[in-house]
Amino acid sequence: DAGITQSPRYKITETGRQVTLMCHQTWSHSYMFWYRQDLGHGLRLIYYSAAADITDKGEVPDGYVVSRSKTENFPLTLESATRSQTSVYFCASSDLSSYNSPLHFGNGTRLTVT
Amino acid sequence: AQSVTQLDSHVSVSEGTPVLLRCNYSSSYSPSLFWYVQHPNKGLQLLLKYTSAATLVKGINGFEAEFKKSETSFHLTKPSAHMSDAAEYFCVVSALNTNAGKSTFGDGTTLTVKP
Repeated sequence: DAGITQSPRYKITETGRQVTLMCHQTWSHSYMFWYRQDLGHGLRLIYYSAAADITDKGEVPDGYVVSRSKTENFPLTLESATRSQTSVYFCASSDLSSYNSPLHFGNGTRLTVT
Repeated sequence: AQSVTQLDSHVSVSEGTPVLLRCNYSSSYSPSLFWYVQHPNKGLQLLLKYTSAATLVKGINGFEAEFKKSETSFHLTKPSAHMSDAAEYFCVVSALNTNAGKSTFGDGTTLTVKP
């Protein structure tokens, strides 16, 4: 089935550990995005990618690293996790063929940093 | 620059009564406007979008929204609430001239539906 899949759904890690959140889409959308969702802040853009090997910072990129070697995958890495990175992370994709192309979201990864 | 303000963080209605979720936006360019719904432990799902073809936009599950340029508003309505409508709703604006078409999200409105 076409869609966007995030893994894992839940993750608990310790402060200072590296953790990678995975995102895979089957639409061949050119654009992919990572958002974090926190109470009182809505959704904030961390990083986005316009195509394979093209990435750019969003609103809150510090402490995160992304890569996009293949169009369908867009992993997000926390190089040294901190408690402030406890959040729900959403991956999204869009073809952006027109400026009113919608975003398609995964079901999220709930990350807890202890 | 663009921004979105959802005027109510929480809305509570009784089942069978109308729903109104309010959204105001600002954008330096012609905006594209969306409403998304998020059920617990789920991702966001598109409810409807404004495409400039018509100011009254119909979406899924009986929802609709009216684009009012003079009021810079894009309020979401439904004539009769159902228990399954209880969720978080996000108003989103994007514009062609923003960098890579990035979207700006409102802070969300939690809709509670009482039996």
